[in-house]
Amino acid sequence: DTGVSQNPRHKITKRGQNVTFRCDPISEHNRLYWYRQTLGQGPEFLTYFQNEAQLEKSRLLSDRFSAERPKGSFSTLEIQRTEQGDSAMYLCASSLEGLTTDTQYFGPGTRLTVL
Amino acid sequence: AQSVTQLDSQVPVFEEAPVELRCNYSSSVSVYLFWYVQYPNQGLQLLLKYLSGSTLVKGINGFEAEFNKSQTSFHLRKPSVHISDTAEYFCAVRLSNFGNEKLTFGTGTRLTIIP
Repeated sequence: DTGVSQNPRHKITKRGQNVTFRCDPISEHNRLYWYRQTLGQGPEFLTYFQNEAQLEKSRLLSDRFSAERPKGSFSTLEIQRTEQGDSAMYLCASSLEGLTTDTQYFGPGTRLTVL
Repeated sequence: AQSVTQLDSQVPVFEEAPVELRCNYSSSVSVYLFWYVQYPNQGLQLLLKYLSGSTLVKGINGFEAEFNKSQTSFHLRKPSVHISDTAEYFCAVRLSNFGNEKLTFGTGTRLTIIP
């Protein structure tokens, strides 16, 4: 069990550029979540997948944001035409669906800075 | 919609003293409750969770929390803190209805241990 990994760990970009982040969940986990954490705040839910299916999206996820999990393993989060307000830590978590509430295990995050 | 309030943004405590970090939640339906810890430059780590049953829940690193339904609280406690407990602590809630997977977090409490 190597844990949830995220790449890159840091990304600096100019306003208007597109960025893509990758999340690799714990290998047997079928659920994958994306959260966003801004300075001084707790993480906020963005979206989650069960296998390949995207089952819920937050209103925070504007049209410029898109997430995919094409083969039910790793996931990507793309932000198009970045804005300064997109600067945040983007967290990925994964869990294994079970009979009781499954625990979400978090990765180290990708810190995005939009200049 | 559910919400979480962490009343203290910062808590300084002397080493080996006891500590309580407060968490209150609001929800119209029953919930599951969680405490996560975030060490500097690391991802969130689960400390403990309450799903059902005994209202006193024990977690890792000597932490425990008590669920109080009438007070809608889930305060985190430790009888004697160590320097290594310096971190940000987040309380989170999840609705217990089937199909609700997202965690709603509080704004966090920064615990600083004074030698």
